[in-house]
Amino acid sequence: GNSVTQMEGPVTLSEEAFLTINCTYTATGYPSLFWYVQYPGEGLQLLLKATKADDKGSNKGFEATYRKETTSFHLEKGSVQVSDSAVYFCALRTGNQFYFGTGTSLTVIP
Amino acid sequence: DAGVIQSPRHEVTEMGQEVTLRCKPISGHDYLFWYRQTMMRGLELLIYFNNNVPIDDSGMPEDRFSAKMPNASFSTLKIQPSEPRDSAVYFCASSQWAGWSYEQYFGPGTRLTVT
Repeated sequence: GNSVTQMEGPVTLSEEAFLTINCTYTATGYPSLFWYVQYPGEGLQLLLKATKADDKGSNKGFEATYRKETTSFHLEKGSVQVSDSAVYFCALRTGNQFYFGTGTSLTVIP
Repeated sequence: DAGVIQSPRHEVTEMGQEVTLRCKPISGHDYLFWYRQTMMRGLELLIYFNNNVPIDDSGMPEDRFSAKMPNASFSTLKIQPSEPRDSAVYFCASSQWAGWSYEQYFGPGTRLTVT
């Protein structure tokens, strides 16, 4: 079946630290991969996406590369800010079905 | 565009009462999804519609839950009777089929508390 596994949180980092949130997936066919971000009290917003192997999605300093050989889509940012504090969800899509990970809470302290 | 609109944003009700959550998808979108989010179970897909027709309701927890989409601009999720374990944040999302670029747009959610 289709599923997404992402690293457990919560994650706490100091401002300007390097961020990695691991995500691996299991899927039939050729999924598209996504990272969504949820700020407190809000719905999920698309952060970035990649639709085929070796694609790199990027937005707001965040990056993730679609690695078919390791079935991974790890989220990275070189220097986090306090405003990046949120919950991050890895997701995959096959056909018109989406599958979300459990979310990783990130807190960035000044 | 106003985005996906959900109402109410917060709902507090007593066990046994009927609860109706509402969603207005983005104009032109042909898919609509209802999700439930809890700390214990994360984000769960309850049901989704395509062109107002329910396609997969296998995530609906039990017969107390029902969802309708009478037209392209409105959907409801009803819980009758409600129970404390239904307390969660309920999200509506919509999308428009666009091949590989297909993505979902979420509403702000309805926080339901059943006492």
